Amino acid sequence: NAGVTQTPKFQVLKTGQSMTLQCAQDMNHNSMYWYRQDPGMGLRLIYYSASEGTTDKGEVPNGYNVSRLNKREFSLRLESAAPSQTSVYFCASSEPPGGQENSPLHFGNGTRLTVT
Amino acid sequence: AQSVTQPDIHITVSEGASLELRCNYSYGATPYLFWYVQSPGQGLQLLLKYFSGDTLVQGIKGFEAEFKRSQSSFNLRKPSVHWSDAAEYFCAVGGLRGGNKLTFGTGTQLKVEL
Repeated sequence: NAGVTQTPKFQVLKTGQSMTLQCAQDMNHNSMYWYRQDPGMGLRLIYYSASEGTTDKGEVPNGYNVSRLNKREFSLRLESAAPSQTSVYFCASSEPPGGQENSPLHFGNGTRLTVT
Repeated sequence: AQSVTQPDIHITVSEGASLELRCNYSYGATPYLFWYVQSPGQGLQLLLKYFSGDTLVQGIKGFEAEFKRSQSSFNLRKPSVHWSDAAEYFCAVGGLRGGNKLTFGTGTQLKVEL
């Protein structure tokens, strides 16, 4: 079972460069999420997609854009990377509210991004 | 706004000793509570969850947690820790009102001494 797959695993960018983080899930989940993890700050929600065709801002959306390409895929784009975006990025998926008792999030293994 | 506090940043226990990791939450309605574990270089894995009913919930790997509404707490426990339990543990809160958007604590790093 692949679960949630993120690519790439590692990336180094220079300030101002752009890139897209890819995420795909094979569990037929409706909801998908992007979190960033920083030391001492836990995980913070960047954007989420409750269902195919919808996206909403989370706690820290500035500097990011997302695309819910289809039910399986949810990408995160950095248009102009900044050193403050150095972080580990996690994609997750779950059933939406009202389905399966608010089912838990299933996480990918993360993308470690460094912006110099 | 919902929030989670994990007051212990680091905890060290001896193998075979008991463990309790603290979690306090703030949520304006009935919360859904979760504990996740993260091994180095990995994503987060669900240990256990509380939605309703019995306030003592059992999870994987011998972990359990108790929901105490009066104390707004959801502490994680294990009677006897194994060296393989060394990892970072995250408590999270969410609910229907939050649209399944979980709020995570800052994590507790567990070290196990042999």
